[in-house]
Amino acid sequence: GDSVTQMEGPVTLSEEAFLTINCTYTATGYPSLFWYVQYPGEGLQLLLKATKADDKGSNKGFEATYRKETTSFHLEKGSVQVSDSAVYFCALSDLHFGNEKLTFGTGTRLTIIP
Amino acid sequence: DSGVTQTPKHLITATGQRVTLRCSPRSGDLSVYWYQQSLDQGLQFLIQYYNGEERAKGNILERFSAQQFPDLHSELNLSSLELGDSALYFCASSSGTVNYEQYFGPGTRLTVT
Repeated sequence: GDSVTQMEGPVTLSEEAFLTINCTYTATGYPSLFWYVQYPGEGLQLLLKATKADDKGSNKGFEATYRKETTSFHLEKGSVQVSDSAVYFCALSDLHFGNEKLTFGTGTRLTIIP
Repeated sequence: DSGVTQTPKHLITATGQRVTLRCSPRSGDLSVYWYQQSLDQGLQFLIQYYNGEERAKGNILERFSAQQFPDLHSELNLSSLELGDSALYFCASSSGTVNYEQYFGPGTRLTVT
């Protein structure tokens, strides 16, 4: 079945550091890929998405590129801020098999120190 | 604010009891999804409804059931509760067409004592 493997956390960085959170996936079809963010005490918010190979999703300074050859969708940001502290989830849905459910990774807790 | 509402925000109940969690999707969205977030299992898909009909089932226990009503709100019923059912339960909604982006509610935190 489909699965998502995410970089183990927690990750602690200083403000303005470069961020990478690794995500790889296994899917039988051609999945759409997502990054969701969960701030303390809140629900999940869609951060960015990519629906086909070589697509780049971007939002709020975050980027991720859909790499079919390496089955990866790593999240990057050039300069993190304290407000980026949250839990980040990589997820996929495989719509080609009519399967809209999201399959999530385990989440990576990110803490940014001023 | 995603536009998805969930009630109640917190629920504390005893083992063996039954509870109902409620979700109102974004205006115009026909699909509702339920997910469970727990420390040991992570985020898991439970069940999806589209316009009143069950569309997909995930790792949902037989003690759990859901339905979607004509006004498109959904309820998740959890019965014969066990300590291990303590978790955050999220509802999400999508239009069910075109891009299938899911928008999540704030969740209901269930504590079984």
